[in-house]
Amino acid sequence: GNSVTQMEGPVTLSEEAFLTINCTYTATGYPSLFWYVQYPGEGLQLLLKATKADDKGSNKGFEATYRKETTSFHLEKGSVQVSDSAVYFCALRSGGSYIPTFGRGTSLIVHP
Amino acid sequence: DTAVSQTPKYLVTQMGNDKSIKCEQNLGHDTMYWYKQDSKKFLKIMFSYNNKELIINETVPNRFSPKSPDKAHLNLHINSLELGDSAVYFCASSQEDSNTDTQYFGPGTRLTVL
Repeated sequence: GNSVTQMEGPVTLSEEAFLTINCTYTATGYPSLFWYVQYPGEGLQLLLKATKADDKGSNKGFEATYRKETTSFHLEKGSVQVSDSAVYFCALRSGGSYIPTFGRGTSLIVHP
Repeated sequence: DTAVSQTPKYLVTQMGNDKSIKCEQNLGHDTMYWYKQDSKKFLKIMFSYNNKELIINETVPNRFSPKSPDKAHLNLHINSLELGDSAVYFCASSQEDSNTDTQYFGPGTRLTVL
């Protein structure tokens, strides 16, 4: 079956620090990979996605590259801001399934 | 315009009561979902529904039932509420043309069972 593994949080950083949140997956077929972000008190929203190997998704300064050889989709940002404090979810969809598979989420706390 | 909306945003109720949460999407999507998020932010899929089939997570108690009056609405009805039902419930929708499709989430309903 499909699964997504994310690094456990919380991840605590100072403003302008470099961010990496690791995500690895197992899936049947050729999955599409997603990062969703959940700001406090809100629902999840798409941050970025990649639909085939070696694709790079990017948005709001965040990037993630679909690495088929290492089955990974790590999220990175060069300089985080306090406003990036949120919970980040890695997810995949594979094999035409209606049901996405989500990781457990990683909380990011950015201090001024 | 809100893409996926839920009501109410907060719901506080006594054990044993029956309650419903409403969800509407104006995106024209074919498929809608209900998720439960616990206090540790873990997301659990409860139901997936489109006009062809209902997929139920087998771990969801049968006290929970989805009701879809039309393609734009998927309500969640809960019978005989228990303390462990306290959580945030999210509705979501997506267009199911391919596995590249994004899910769009509502703002959530925080349910507290006393």
